[in-house]
Amino acid sequence: QQQVKQSPQSLIVQKGGISIINCAYENTAFDYFPWYQQFPGKGPALLIAIRPDVSEKKEGRFTISFNKSAKQFSLHIMDSQPGDSATYFCAASMGGFQKLVFGTGTRLLVSP
Amino acid sequence: KAGVTQTPRYLIKTRGQQVTLSCSPISGHRSVSWYQQTPGQGLQFLFEYFSETQRNKGNFPGRFSGRQFSNSRSEMNVSTLELGDSALYLCASSFPQEGELFFGEGSRLTVL
Repeated sequence: QQQVKQSPQSLIVQKGGISIINCAYENTAFDYFPWYQQFPGKGPALLIAIRPDVSEKKEGRFTISFNKSAKQFSLHIMDSQPGDSATYFCAASMGGFQKLVFGTGTRLLVSP
Repeated sequence: KAGVTQTPRYLIKTRGQQVTLSCSPISGHRSVSWYQQTPGQGLQFLFEYFSETQRNKGNFPGRFSGRQFSNSRSEMNVSTLELGDSALYLCASSFPQEGELFFGEGSRLTVL
């Protein structure tokens, strides 16, 4: 029940295309859903986050869509760029921000 | 401002030894969390410290321990190392009431 399932495991998108990564959770007590981006040799960095009382949040080219009834959330990267090539992790937590349950990660490659 | 600093960046140990990893958080951050990252298990929460007190603990054996000092710097210790402890250990700092975790680049431990 503590798991966050993430798909796909890897994704190849052409430059300018839309990258979509999906996550699903079981624990309805989760109340904070961030997405982290990790480049090789670096620690993860927060990209965007959402609370369950909001169905969508957009920051620049990055959008989180949240479906509370389906217990699913997704990351959309519009106009994907080669510099977006990285591993993306969804995560969830309850009652705080530090104890995150991470998805298994999606390795995104944006081809030029 | 300076980011989260972790030392050492790389280390090699043999089974049965112990290891201590250090983390210096971003100035002003009083919450420090530790995560283990492996290819097989992904990112897993180890523990969180705030004001020298452990506030949360993940599902790891007692061989994994940590502490936080009055200046918010933190250390984690793994005793009686096993091959499966080989991983990237990530430290993250944050303001306790804010969602963004700032990760360091990690300490890569190899157990032979």
